[in-house]
Amino acid sequence: GAVVSQHPSWVICKSGTSVKIECRSLDFQATTMFWYRQFPKQSLMLMATSNEGSKATYEQGVEKDKFLINHASLTLSTLTVTSAHPEDSSFYICSARDPWSQPQHFGDGTRLSIL
Amino acid sequence: AQKITQTQPGMFVQEKEAVTLDCTYDTSDQSYGLFWYKQPSSGEMIFLIYQGSYDEQNATEGRYSLNFQKARKSANLVISASQLGDSAMYFCAMEGANAGGTSYGKLTFGQGTILTVHP
Repeated sequence: GAVVSQHPSWVICKSGTSVKIECRSLDFQATTMFWYRQFPKQSLMLMATSNEGSKATYEQGVEKDKFLINHASLTLSTLTVTSAHPEDSSFYICSARDPWSQPQHFGDGTRLSIL
Repeated sequence: AQKITQTQPGMFVQEKEAVTLDCTYDTSDQSYGLFWYKQPSSGEMIFLIYQGSYDEQNATEGRYSLNFQKARKSANLVISASQLGDSAMYFCAMEGANAGGTSYGKLTFGQGTILTVHP
């Protein structure tokens, strides 16, 4: 069964709306989770590393105020796309790894469409 | 810094034949892990196979095998007896580690290869 759950799978909303995406590790505790963004037929680009109980580490070029990450517990990280615009439309996917084993497991991803 | 290169944007293979997907990497880390993931059109990332940099044997998982050539910095995926359900995008990825062997956790991905299996 899935070890990382991501919700929602699809989001369609109007420009200016804020959207929250959840990523949960189901059967292990994850002090670190990762958020990626993917455009059609392209690779996954790491956006940020989510750290439980502390601030996220963002990759160069990722707007911290646009993509808010909260990792409030050992099993839940959330990504909030604030005041979303059409250019934020993309596929967002999270991952986490049980510290004691490989590999990283991915959520099923969220397709975000901003109208 | 780490870099993964997949030079084949697309590959075609006949059903039941074998196919090799190429992957080369560059890293300054002494210890690292190499992964292959499959991404069907539905979007989920499916883990296929893992090779540690200190593993002497090439990894195998069912129909998947990883041809690891450390000196050449290559980690090619071989799929034997291709099936129609193998049609998907395939990503090679790397996870680095510090001098003590503790993984950084985050993955660096290659550009991906779209594999199409013909009946």
